[in-house]
Amino acid sequence: AQSVTQPDIHITVSEGASLELRCNYSYGATPYLFWYVQSPGQGLQLLLKYFSGDTLVQGIKGFEAEFKRSQSSFNLRKPSVHWSDAAEYFCAVGDSGGYQKVTFGTGTKLQVIP
Amino acid sequence: ETGVTQSPTHLIKTRGQQVTLRCSSQSGHNTVSWYQQALGQGPQFIFQYYREEENGRGNFPPRFSGLQFPNYSSELNVNALELDDSALYLCASSKDRAEAFFGQGTRLTVV
Repeated sequence: AQSVTQPDIHITVSEGASLELRCNYSYGATPYLFWYVQSPGQGLQLLLKYFSGDTLVQGIKGFEAEFKRSQSSFNLRKPSVHWSDAAEYFCAVGDSGGYQKVTFGTGTKLQVIP
Repeated sequence: ETGVTQSPTHLIKTRGQQVTLRCSSQSGHNTVSWYQQALGQGPQFIFQYYREEENGRGNFPPRFSGLQFPNYSSELNVNALELDDSALYLCASSKDRAEAFFGQGTRLTVV
């Protein structure tokens, strides 16, 4: 069965600092991978996705993620964090149907300090 | 283009009651997925409807059921509510099971 592990429950970074959120997945075939962001009281917004091709994926809001098959990882990065990036971030893996059934990690809550 | 809308936004029910949550999919979308997000957890897949047929189900008991209507809007029904059913219920719509767009969710509290 597919699964996702986000080892960091909370992360605090200073505004302007770089950010890396970790994600490890378990899936038997080539995975479909996603990162979503959720602000308090809001639904989920897709930041970026990986289906195939270039392993470095660019997303919205200046985020990028790198797929590393050998490490079963799909870490999210941003070179310079803004206060508005404070939110909860979810990594997710989809089954062979892409979005058909998506399994989410437990999330990483990002706090940004001035 | 309207987004995904869910109603109601908040709901309080008593244990043992039944509840119906509603989701209007984004214009042009024909697929709706439902997720349950308990406090402090990631969303968990309940089921998906594609062109009015159930198209995949997660590990939820039969008291969780759904419908999709000809206009592709959808309902999630939960019977015999339990305290553990308290959660944020998210609906996501997509076209032909492609990229999904999420609604704001319905916060259900069971007392």
